[in-house]
Amino acid sequence: DTEVTQTPKHLVMGMTNKKSLKCEQHMGHRAMYWYKQKAKKPPELMFVYSYEKLSINESVPSRFSPECPNSSLLNLHLHALQPEDSALYLCASSRGAGGPFFEQYFGPGTRLTVT
Amino acid sequence: AQKITQTQPGMFVQEKEAVTLDCTYDTSDQSYGLFWYKQPSSGEMIFLIYQGSYDEQNATEGRYSLNFQKARKSANLVISASQLGDSAMYFCAMREENAGGTSYGKLTFGQGTILTVHP
Repeated sequence: DTEVTQTPKHLVMGMTNKKSLKCEQHMGHRAMYWYKQKAKKPPELMFVYSYEKLSINESVPSRFSPECPNSSLLNLHLHALQPEDSALYLCASSRGAGGPFFEQYFGPGTRLTVT
Repeated sequence: AQKITQTQPGMFVQEKEAVTLDCTYDTSDQSYGLFWYKQPSSGEMIFLIYQGSYDEQNATEGRYSLNFQKARKSANLVISASQLGDSAMYFCAMREENAGGTSYGKLTFGQGTILTVHP
């Protein structure tokens, strides 16, 4: 089973709201990722967690706050977002983060609209 | 310089025919991995196929095969017997072993190719 689940599928939020995106995998993977993707563009890496510790933050604004409560779960907390943050947010996982050999499995994404 | 180049913004193919999607890459690492992903309009990124830099055989997965030419730094995806459901965006991606400590775990994507399969 190579399933990564994400909730919600769609989210509309105002610029003053606080919301969270959730990602879950039960493949025993030890690395999890958040990506942001604009229409017709490749995904852009935001964060990498390895063994539940944040290993990469790609200079993401602090209005995005990741959290990895356990090895199966990854959250992205959103606060005071801007309209330009509207995008598809993809979660992914892989067996490990290091080395070139681990394929990443992606979830279906959350389509976020900031009004 | 771009690490992954996909030169075909869009490709068209007739159903049941084969199609090749181009991908060239740039790295100074000896150890790296190349991946292809499919993204239908629904948004999910679907892993298709993987080729390691040390693999001597071209990777194959069902109707997908990867034409790996290491000296030319190319990793083209070949889809045989195209189906209407193959219509999607296709991304080539690379992970390097020694991308640097700040790039640990990073997957670098190309700009993608939109494939349209005609009946």
